[in-house]
Amino acid sequence: AQSVTQLDSHVSVSEGTPVLLRCNYSSSYSPSLFWYVQHPNKGLQLLLKYTSAATLVKGINGFEAEFKKSETSFHLTKPSAHMSDAAEYFCVVTFTSGTYKYIFGTGTRLKVLA
Amino acid sequence: IAGITQAPTSQILAAGRRMTLRCTQDMRHNAMYWYRQDLGLGLRLIHYSNTAGTTGKGEVPDGYSVSRANTDDFPLTLASAVPSQTSVYFCASSEGLGTNTQYFGPGTRLTVL
Repeated sequence: AQSVTQLDSHVSVSEGTPVLLRCNYSSSYSPSLFWYVQHPNKGLQLLLKYTSAATLVKGINGFEAEFKKSETSFHLTKPSAHMSDAAEYFCVVTFTSGTYKYIFGTGTRLKVLA
Repeated sequence: IAGITQAPTSQILAAGRRMTLRCTQDMRHNAMYWYRQDLGLGLRLIHYSNTAGTTGKGEVPDGYSVSRANTDDFPLTLASAVPSQTSVYFCASSEGLGTNTQYFGPGTRLTVL
C-alpha cells in the first residue's frame, strides 16, 4: 500500500539555523512528491514538486528537497530559518500509475525561535 | 485572478441542519476536490470530480455529497450535519487527475453543535 510518513510532528529551530523536515514514502510505483506549507488559518501553498526530473528540487522561499529513491525519502531543507517560516508543512505523494489521489502526511509544525 | 474561493469562511451549525459549502475556481481546471483537515490526521479526501458532470468518492465520503454542474463550481453538501463533521474543509483544483499540482482554497471552518 502507498503511504507517506512525516517523522517529526514538531520541529523547533533558532532563527538563522538550518531546517530539516523529514518525509518517507512507501510505494510500488514511481512517485510524484510535493511539499506544501500552511500558515495559521490559511490554505495550503505549494513549496516544491518532484516528478522524476532532477532529484534535487528547488522551491520557493529558499526551500529545497532531495528525492532519494534508495532511501524512499524526500526531506525538506532550508539553510537558514526565518521567523516567517513558522508554519505547518505537509509532505504529499501521488503516483504515476494506479491511484491518482494525493496521500498526505500528518504534518510537521515548524517553530522558529528568535 | 482569484484562484479558488470558498464560502463561508466559517460557520457554526446546529446538528441535523443542512449545509452547503461553496467552492469556485477561475483557472478552468478539470479536476476538483474536497478535503477535511483534522488535528493529527492531515488532510483526507472526501469527494473529487474529474470533469464537469462526474464525481467520485474519496476516503471519507459518508455524510457528504457533491455535484459538478459546470467546470468552475464544486459545492459540498452536508445533508444532516453531525458533531463529528466539525472540521476545516478545503477545496482544491488541478488541471487533471494524476500527478498534476493541486491548488487549494483558503478553507471553511465548520463547527457542528
